[in-house]
Amino acid sequence: DAKTTQPTSMDCAEGRAANLPCNHSTISGNEYVYWYRQIHSQGPQYIIHGLKNNETNEMASLIITEDRKSSTLILPHATLRDTAVYYCIVSPANAGGTSYGKLTFGQGTILTVHP
Amino acid sequence: NAGVTQTPKFQVLKTGQSMTLQCAQDMNHNSMYWYRQDPGMGLRLIYYSASEGTTDKGEVPNGYNVSRLNKREFSLRLESAAPSQTSVYFCASIEDRSYNSPLHFGNGTRLTVT
Repeated sequence: DAKTTQPTSMDCAEGRAANLPCNHSTISGNEYVYWYRQIHSQGPQYIIHGLKNNETNEMASLIITEDRKSSTLILPHATLRDTAVYYCIVSPANAGGTSYGKLTFGQGTILTVHP
Repeated sequence: NAGVTQTPKFQVLKTGQSMTLQCAQDMNHNSMYWYRQDPGMGLRLIYYSASEGTTDKGEVPNGYNVSRLNKREFSLRLESAAPSQTSVYFCASIEDRSYNSPLHFGNGTRLTVT
């Protein structure tokens, strides 16, 4: 599995965009980049994922570099409720379907949104 | 539609006691997973079940057993609890017809072994 590197912590002012970087320089061609977050005392929550194109949904945008070695999660207007640990994960290669969901969670980035 | 439900939410055990953590999902997902999360660390996969009737070991299976009771339910059993098993346990499920499917997590069982 490709490993990811994220900053340990980041701060963001409420209402501003939060840009969370992730390095995954050993990513394989068939591996996706997933982002999850975990708000204190809750289970992880899926945010967004992508293969090579930029993606956007109601929660966030995902920007993947052309060489796919890094990506950035963007929360366009951060709120206090976005304070959480954000995990960047590269999905394992398809192995007959049994590898779905076998994600490797690192320590993530602690994002603190302050007033 | 409750998603993934875990019971109990909290549990305290003495060393050597046994217990079963319950997990149920109502999304008709084929695959289910058990993860543990220790303080300040990411999640680690204990066991998973790719489909009803099958189970496989993950990264940290020692000290645990699992049962995929039916498509909805996937339980995790600690036969003889140890302090090293103090952790937060998360169950998750996935609709694996699509490679892009995200994991859906429950809100965890917080287990303390004294």
